Amino acid sequence: GQQVMQIPQYQHVQEGEDFTTYCNSSTTLSNIQWYKQRPGGHPVFLIQLVKSGEVKKQKRLTFQFGEAKKNSSLHITATQTTDVGTYFCAAIIQGAQKLVFGQGTRLTINP
Amino acid sequence: DAGITQSPRHKVTETGTPVTLRCHQTENHRYMYWYRQDPGHGLRLIHYSYGVKDTDKGEVSDGYSVSRSKTEDFLLTLESATSSQTSVYFCAIRPTGIVDGYTFGSGTRLTVV
Repeated sequence: GQQVMQIPQYQHVQEGEDFTTYCNSSTTLSNIQWYKQRPGGHPVFLIQLVKSGEVKKQKRLTFQFGEAKKNSSLHITATQTTDVGTYFCAAIIQGAQKLVFGQGTRLTINP
Repeated sequence: DAGITQSPRHKVTETGTPVTLRCHQTENHRYMYWYRQDPGHGLRLIHYSYGVKDTDKGEVSDGYSVSRSKTEDFLLTLESATSSQTSVYFCAIRPTGIVDGYTFGSGTRLTVV
């Protein structure tokens, strides 16, 4: 079954508001990746986190990896209409060469 | 996008018919993957390949088979399509760099009627 849980499933915000999606696992993860999928598009890689407590920023996006390496978050500051899409976290399953995805958070924005 | 193409882009087929989807890459990557995407489930791994003629099952492999006779091509076959296999199918390649994410194809929207 799904080994990476992501919440919320949907989020609707007003343009300019902040947005956060959370990813949780019951097991320790070796790393975590984040992807963005625009409506009608395919997933596009955003970033990978590897170290415990790691924080990385890409312009208005902030990615965090928990100290225990069991959770991660993506925070968008001051959303813009270009941020619309579904955000997925994904983790490499230890010992296997495959990526398991969370269910995704679909972000819609009211301009 | 990064040398990966899927065909066809759209397909409508009847229940019980065989269907083959193709993924083609031009970058000689060892690992290739097939995922399906359905509302509320995100992306679920069907099968993957770690080399020519080397494949393994993912979490939702029932009803699907794969073949990889050449590095560049990874085929997904639905032996006898069912309505539950109506979905969007994505192929992905895994780059060799440590910090690079997977690269996905544009997807195939399959409808089984």
